[in-house]
Amino acid sequence: NFILTQPHSVSASPGKTVTISCTRSSGNIASNYVQWYQQRPGRAPTTVIYEDTQRASGVPDRFSGSIDSASNSVSLTISGLKVEDEADYYCQSYDATTVIFGGGTKLTVL
Amino acid sequence: QVQLKESGPGLVKPSETLSLTCVVSGASISSFYWTWIRQFPGKGLEWVGYISHSGSTNYNPSLKTRVAISVDTSKSQFSLRLSSLTAADTAVYYCARLSGFSYDLDFWGPGTLVTVSS
Repeated sequence: NFILTQPHSVSASPGKTVTISCTRSSGNIASNYVQWYQQRPGRAPTTVIYEDTQRASGVPDRFSGSIDSASNSVSLTISGLKVEDEADYYCQSYDATTVIFGGGTKLTVL
Repeated sequence: QVQLKESGPGLVKPSETLSLTCVVSGASISSFYWTWIRQFPGKGLEWVGYISHSGSTNYNPSLKTRVAISVDTSKSQFSLRLSSLTAADTAVYYCARLSGFSYDLDFWGPGTLVTVSS
């Protein structure tokens, strides 16, 4: 199995843009879809991006997903940051029949 | 709207077996895959395993010897059993629907905290 590596934390000011990366340790990042989940304290995660770049229903277009084969990674970009975007974000993919999560990134909106 | 809800004991003793149930509403359990995920206090997410409506299963290799997931389509629910518990199994346990095509976990239950302690 491969590992998905995320930065432990990122921070930015309201109105700014932030990008969270998720790097696959082995194998081609494009081989298996990646999802992004947002988790607020005390709540279950919810999907923000699925299939690498697709926004989940109800997610504002300030959220976008991209894939970069050169760095074997995917990224979640949030523009026009709002205080309510402060949360933990997890990437997730799969390998054969195994579900794999990244370690999570804490986004602080200062 | 698809809804999932976990139920089970909040406190279990070391060496005992945990049993949790997830009731599904708003969707047919006879489609999709159904999964359990856990989250250790202050930590990230760990996949436990999943089951299809037909009963085929896949488990996290690190838990494979202790875990069993079953499905009861007549009750629209699926269940988790985790044996030989230790304090390291203390976590919030979530059930979720797994999209078989992209492995997207598109609907989650609210989660239930399980504490392993004597």
